[in-house]
Amino acid sequence: DTGVSQNPRHKITKRGQNVTFRCDPISEHNRLYWYRQTLGQGPEFLTYFQNEAQLEKSRLLSDRFSAERPKGSFSTLEIQRTEQGDSAMYLCASSPTAQDLYHYGYTFGSGTRLTVV
Amino acid sequence: DAKTTQPTSMDCAEGRAANLPCNHSTISGNEYVYWYRQIHSQGPQYIIHGLKNNETNEMASLIITEDRKSSTLILPHATLRDTAVYYCIVREGKLIFGQGTELSVKP
Repeated sequence: DTGVSQNPRHKITKRGQNVTFRCDPISEHNRLYWYRQTLGQGPEFLTYFQNEAQLEKSRLLSDRFSAERPKGSFSTLEIQRTEQGDSAMYLCASSPTAQDLYHYGYTFGSGTRLTVV
Repeated sequence: DAKTTQPTSMDCAEGRAANLPCNHSTISGNEYVYWYRQIHSQGPQYIIHGLKNNETNEMASLIITEDRKSSTLILPHATLRDTAVYYCIVREGKLIFGQGTELSVKP
């Protein structure tokens, strides 16, 4: 296992188009997180899954955003009707169970950089 | 909102120790202090974490004050590759990132 994988690395899209990003976590990790990061800011939490269940969503996650993790393995983040303000780095992370989290932390992917033109 | 306060930026000479401070005066008894760093264009990388005791691993040392209201991350011999943004996080379930400290290691 080579860590958390995110695809694509870069995406340029026109305003109003839909985009989808994929995250493949570390296989034995049952928790998966999505974050968004804009230039000069720290990552902002968007949502997280435990197995296939989406347990928390930030108020930052507008109705245009949807995330899924259908079989508790990979996850997708879709943005509908993209706006220029959606331009950011979208980061995915995974972690083991809650009790192990205190010992191992999160493992992040390298992110998908979205540019909306 | 993040529960930590860090300086915006710091410089360190290559080969010297880098000491990065963090204030977390409202930390509660069961919250851990985590440190991550983010090198340009990469995702954050876990460095170290602790609860009460000082901790050391192959990357860094973490010194937590007795009252747990502040901590210091120590990179004992900083290299140019340690140039990054360093985030101090008090964990309350999910990780909440603040602005971090931009550390520049200079030759």
